[in-house]
Amino acid sequence: DSGVTQTPKHLITATGQRVTLRCSPRSGDLSVYWYQQSLDQGLQFLIQYYNGEERAKGNILERFSAQQFPDLHSELNLSSLELGDSALYFCASSGSLRQATGNTIYFGEGSWLTVV
Amino acid sequence: DQQVKQNSPSLSVQEGRISILNCDYTNSMFDYFLWYKKYPAEGPTFLISISSIKDKNEDGRFTVFLNKSAKHLSLHIVPSQPGDSAVYFCAAAGSYSGAGSYQLTFGKGTKLSVIP
Repeated sequence: DSGVTQTPKHLITATGQRVTLRCSPRSGDLSVYWYQQSLDQGLQFLIQYYNGEERAKGNILERFSAQQFPDLHSELNLSSLELGDSALYFCASSGSLRQATGNTIYFGEGSWLTVV
Repeated sequence: DQQVKQNSPSLSVQEGRISILNCDYTNSMFDYFLWYKKYPAEGPTFLISISSIKDKNEDGRFTVFLNKSAKHLSLHIVPSQPGDSAVYFCAAAGSYSGAGSYQLTFGKGTKLSVIP
């Protein structure tokens, strides 16, 4: 158990709909990262928040948005869903302000999104 | 443009033998490299890392080698065990990410099967 909690674990929704994925980071971790893993792709970095502020942006579509709340949990909002958005969405967290080492980044178990 | 490439989608090895997983990168700004292991229905877990100032890092049965001039790294597992069967992701990060930001660029993964 990494300590990173993601909900829901599985979600099936129709095209055009909007969903929200939730992430609770490890206790004390200030950074939250979102990654997308689709069938034919590796893990694609989407966005990072640090202590409530957006810190880095990757290949995140304009239809997607995220935020980190004062209690440090984060939500990833996916709207106008398309079939190609079907993927496994991972949240990860780390604690330090300095550049983190790999063993301080912890991944959740992921949220499986299926768009039909 | 894929900056981190794992050209072998799968690898089968006999138990007790050496497993060698390869990874190539193109971005010369990467200065920190990591290997993650992923079991089905779980998030990636950190395995081992190496800084660009080193060419080898060892942790038990796992050794990572870095060849900066060739922009190539490899993970050696000796001896391989059936429990090592998983998908292995190579990841890279660069100091350009800045303090507090740690953007990992992942390869697509290599599925290792260790045959008893």
